[in-house]
Amino acid sequence: DQQVKQNSPSLSVQEGRISILNCDYTNSMFDYFLWYKKYPAEGPTFLISISSIKDKNEDGRFTVFLNKSAKHLSLHIVPSQPGDSAVYFCAARGNSGGSNYKLTFGKGTLLTVNP
Amino acid sequence: DAMVIQNPRYQVTQFGKPVTLSCSQTLNHNVMYWYQQKSSQAPKLLFHYYDKDFNNEADTPDNFQSRRPNTSFCFLDIRSPGLGDAAMYLCATSGDRSSGANVLTFGAGSRLTVL
Repeated sequence: DQQVKQNSPSLSVQEGRISILNCDYTNSMFDYFLWYKKYPAEGPTFLISISSIKDKNEDGRFTVFLNKSAKHLSLHIVPSQPGDSAVYFCAARGNSGGSNYKLTFGKGTLLTVNP
Repeated sequence: DAMVIQNPRYQVTQFGKPVTLSCSQTLNHNVMYWYQQKSSQAPKLLFHYYDKDFNNEADTPDNFQSRRPNTSFCFLDIRSPGLGDAAMYLCATSGDRSSGANVLTFGAGSRLTVL
């Protein structure tokens, strides 16, 4: 039973355009959400996060939006660059007991930015 | 100046032959995690240590064991690898939640092949 879902396995965009990666979750106890980026043969690296008390967090070209009522978050990359081509994982953290320290991941979305 | 180092990066073993994967960290983080990621799947948490306290996930098979002899090192032992255990194994660390640091830092992973 997947609690974090990334329904698009892949996304292809042109350089300079916007990339929008989507993520849905089912567990209302999640209180913190993160996006990780993964290049081939490397481990995931942290990109950006958002607390459940916010609806938007921005860091340079990257913005994460959270819609709690819809249990949906999205990552916007503007403008997209070829170096952004990677697998993007959405992850969520619980807020009680032992789940404080655990992240639940989605399956990832492979983003390809074409020059 | 890699902060989470996993060895070996690639491990080939025979069906049923025990394997040990290692992880070391220079971040002095309290929490260390082992995730299993199969192709096109979400990273799946196997277990984590908060300091010396071991926390096993309910659905982690008994075939998987872990040791954390000190803050810096953590090992994943697969006692009798089966073909279904072929995967990327990701080690990650995080600081104490109370300090506000709950972003996981991942190693590059150890890819296990079972023949």
